[in-house]
Amino acid sequence: LAKTTQPISMDSYEGQEVNITCSHNNIATNDYITWYQQFPSQGPRFIIQGYKTKVTNEVASLFIPADRKSSTLSLPRVSLSDTAVYYCLGLINPGKSTFGDGTTLTVKP
Amino acid sequence: DAGVTQSPTHLIKTRGQHVTLRCSPISGHKSVSWYQQVLGQGPQFIFQYYEKEERGRGNFPDRFSARQFPNYSSELNVNALLLGDSALYLCASSLDQGSLGNTIYFGEGSWLTVV
Repeated sequence: LAKTTQPISMDSYEGQEVNITCSHNNIATNDYITWYQQFPSQGPRFIIQGYKTKVTNEVASLFIPADRKSSTLSLPRVSLSDTAVYYCLGLINPGKSTFGDGTTLTVKP
Repeated sequence: DAGVTQSPTHLIKTRGQHVTLRCSPISGHKSVSWYQQVLGQGPQFIFQYYEKEERGRGNFPDRFSARQFPNYSSELNVNALLLGDSALYLCASSLDQGSLGNTIYFGEGSWLTVV
């Protein structure tokens, strides 16, 4: 299992770009990196997944360097509604993964 | 399309009682995973089932059990409830398990309070 390390918390302001970095030094060759977002009293929501280089979808971008020992989730122009906990997972089968404590992002007006 | 559905959404039990939580996966998904999330922590893996067979188990006591039915829905059972079992129980489904890029999708959870 790829153990992941994320900052405990981050603050930002509306309209800014937010980058959350996750370290996964012992990631295996077949592991994918997946990010989830969780609001209070709700289940985690899939945001984005990638293996290497850059992946972009309608809500975020994921940057993974060549050594794959870290990844960065980029949220463009955040709003108050992006205040949530963000988790990164590095595992071929996230269905068996225990999440870390994630990064609590607080977006301020 | 219906997402992962869980029932009940909230329940209160007394110490020593038994509880059954239910989960219906996304249509077409054959794998179901169960998680326990205590306030302030990330989800902790309990079980994964695929094609009605247990494919993984987390570090939980034998009081926790689960099963998956032919229609791929699943039940999580907890016996002899303790106060520490109070948590949000999450169910997640995926197409399969162990494949590259496998993505899991979560339900909204069942809030269990043990008093």
